[in-house]
Formats: sequence, C-alpha cells, structure tokens
Amino acid sequence: SAVISQKPSRDICQRGTSLTIQCQVDSQVTMMFWYRQQPGQSLTLIATANQGSEATYESGFVIDKFPISRPNLTFSTLTVSNMSPEDSSIYLCSVSMLDSNQPQHFGDGTRLSIL
Amino acid sequence: DAKTTQPPSMDCAEGRAANLPCNHSTISGNEYVYWYRQIHSQGPQYIIHGLKNNETNEMASLIITEDRKSSTLILPHATLRDTAVYYCIVRGNAGNNRKLIWGLGTSLAVNP
Repeated sequence: SAVISQKPSRDICQRGTSLTIQCQVDSQVTMMFWYRQQPGQSLTLIATANQGSEATYESGFVIDKFPISRPNLTFSTLTVSNMSPEDSSIYLCSVSMLDSNQPQHFGDGTRLSIL
Repeated sequence: DAKTTQPPSMDCAEGRAANLPCNHSTISGNEYVYWYRQIHSQGPQYIIHGLKNNETNEMASLIITEDRKSSTLILPHATLRDTAVYYCIVRGNAGNNRKLIWGLGTSLAVNP
C-alpha cells in the first residue's frame, strides 16, 4: 500500500492563527481525503480533495474554515483557519484508488492543540 | 450515522484468538464490510474487507454470516501489539455510499 507522510506531526498554535497541514504520498493516487478526529471521538470526514478543482466538503465543513489544495496526484494540503480551542483535534489524510473496492489508507495524522 | 454496531470494549488473553463481532443488519447487497484498527497515537490501519465470502489475509480472518447481517473479525493469535480500537465499517461502491462512516469501534485490550 501507499506510504503517506503528514507534516507537521503535531503543533501547538495560538487562537486566531492558521496552520497548513501537508500530505505527501509516495505514489499517484486517485482519491485523497481529509478527516478530523476530536479527542475521544471517531473519525469525521471533512472533505474529498479533488485534483485540479475545488474540494468536496461534507455537511458542517466549509471552504473558508478548511481550505484544501490538491495540485497533483501525490500531494494535498489542508489549512485550519482562524483557529479556536474547539479545533484541537487530530487531522488525518487518507488515500485510495478509484476502484470502488480499494480500501483507504491513512497517514499517522497531525495532532493540533490550540491555546 | 454509522451502519454498524460493535461492543465498546473487549478483553483477550495473549496468544488466544480474539473474535470481534459486528452487527450490520441494514447492509445492502452491494455494500462491503471493512475492518480497520487504530493503535494509540497512530492513524487507522486497514485490516481486511469482504462482500459475502469469508476472507483471510496475513493479519486476520473475516467471517460474514450467510444473511450478511453480521460479521466477525478473528485475530488468530493475539499479541500485546494488537491492543487497539477496531472499527467495522459498511461501505458501498457508488456516490455518497462510498464514504467511510466511522462509529466508535471496539477497544480491544490484549492482556499478558
């Protein structure tokens, strides 16, 4: 399976600031996704990162708060904008091929704490 | 909402088989059953998936009942490193049904 690297692995940020998280894959993949995992909770899909076009956001998530880029088939970024303590979470990137039965594979996530 | 129901926690003795149940009574004919696990401080790890036949790989076996309304993940010889949260997910293959909807999973503790 693909090797997925996320940077940074963790960060502590001040409220009101923004942080961009990078996701790099070692091979070309069709689908890239961004998830959030709040403390003690399960994963929630934020958006699907589409190559060369705007990301597809899930209900409750908006582009102004979580802008996403995907310039090519191996790289994507998620920005968490104007952060508040409620944004303290683990943010995870996952990838899969378009074949509908292929599983998603995950990076180890970015642990974000907002003071 | 997740389409699966799992017990919140289970214990298993090291070296014994761990059998993790999952109920998915509303599963549709074209939906697959996926299993992932998440070890503390790591991202979810894919384990196995299946449609209706039993599946086995180097990590685990997946047993799906004939009516497909439930399944069991079997770790044949559990080790301490298998301590993790195990997620059972039902996923289709078209449109929004292709999304992974995560429940709270089963927290498996493997004890020495």
